[in-house]
Amino acid sequence: RKEVEQDPGPFNVPEGATVAFNCTYSNSASQSFFWYRQDCRKEPKLLMSVYSSGNEDGRFTAQLNRASQYISLLIRDSKLSDSATYLCAVTPNTDKLIFGTGTRLQVFP
Amino acid sequence: DAGITQSPRHKVTETGTPVTLRCHQTENHRYMYWYRQDPGHGLRLIHYSYGVKDTDKGEVSDGYSVSRSKTEDFLLTLESATSSQTSVYFCAISESGGINSPLHFGNGTRLTVT
Repeated sequence: RKEVEQDPGPFNVPEGATVAFNCTYSNSASQSFFWYRQDCRKEPKLLMSVYSSGNEDGRFTAQLNRASQYISLLIRDSKLSDSATYLCAVTPNTDKLIFGTGTRLQVFP
Repeated sequence: DAGITQSPRHKVTETGTPVTLRCHQTENHRYMYWYRQDPGHGLRLIHYSYGVKDTDKGEVSDGYSVSRSKTEDFLLTLESATSSQTSVYFCAISESGGINSPLHFGNGTRLTVT
């Protein structure tokens, strides 16, 4: 089993839709969690950290479910510019960040 | 944007030749990482450093070596490049190694081994 797993998608949604991605992790001792956005042929960029209490940044909401060992990303009112690959990242122990393979989102007009 | 510069941005080399990729940071962060990204595999950690002259292996370290003689520079060397090392290589930095401290990435180096 991979340490961090994501549904590769693609998720094809119309503008204005709400879409959610999940990311499961295998190490119950994992400490930190992040969502990154990666555009085609670009570097990953931090979208948001995921806190135990959940957090929201505009149209984006991230949640952590430790009992079921997954994190989620909810995007409301999708924009064309949200089209990208979304990577989750988990720190299973100190020093290292393990990435999922990413979920591709395509928003269409 | 975090001050991270990777060089070169693109490189084509022949099988069996040595290749060195450079990552330079201006943030004075303690941690530096080298990842490779391939279709279907996502980002995989090659090596990382937690201080000058302190390095450790990641999950795909075979065929790669690293050096960190200064805080700001982290070098990745392919001693004898193989076609399986054709990939996009990303350097990343972090203040405190991923614990409540996200990684910030450089622009990447596209390496083709022919």
